[in-house]
Amino acid sequence: EAGVTQFPSHSVIEKGQTVTLRCDPISGHDNLYWYRRVMGKEIKFLLHFVKESKQDESGMPNNRFLAERTGGTYSTLKVQPAELEDSGVYFCASSPLQGRREQYFGPGTRLTVT
Amino acid sequence: AQSVAQPEDQVNVAEGNPLTVKCTYSVSGNPYLFWYVQYPNRGLQFLLKYITGDNLVKGSYGFEAEFNKSQTSFHLKKPSALVSDSALYFCAVRDSNSGNTPLVFGKGTRLSVIA
Repeated sequence: EAGVTQFPSHSVIEKGQTVTLRCDPISGHDNLYWYRRVMGKEIKFLLHFVKESKQDESGMPNNRFLAERTGGTYSTLKVQPAELEDSGVYFCASSPLQGRREQYFGPGTRLTVT
Repeated sequence: AQSVAQPEDQVNVAEGNPLTVKCTYSVSGNPYLFWYVQYPNRGLQFLLKYITGDNLVKGSYGFEAEFNKSQTSFHLKKPSALVSDSALYFCAVRDSNSGNTPLVFGKGTRLSVIA
């Protein structure tokens, strides 16, 4: 089966600009998670979708971050306007609603805000 | 609150020697424990998990981990390290009573296997 894919792999933007990250989960996976790793630190949870609904967005840093999951398929994470501290690697993960409990991760998007 | 500690930022080991990457955790209930590996320019790959049952869990690429409830540890081990094992390793935990909640990760340990 195809894995989790993310686009773009890298993005370099200036402070104040907008960036949209995309995640395509494994087909049939109802759970979709966004995580972020700032250089050298833990991978931290941002938010969790179950199908198209936001189950938990407690990890979202502030209202400059907006996530959507249209039709319960792919998801986008928009940062507007970007700040320097938003730099990091953004990971997407998916898992089935029931059964196996590990999450399957995408390759990540490396975001650099200058 | 759940937490994971990986006390070593870097572990160096000679090829052919056994390796251990340490992980301790804290959860309120029973833990689900995971190890992931990240190779350069790649995403996180699942290595193994402990859900229930035998405390010694075997996973991909010859890795294994031992769940120790009294010490709240889940150290990753391999009997004989390969240069290709050099990567960044993450331990993660989730409370078993909390449904499909997100994982809580440690900071990661960089493993360097020297030929």
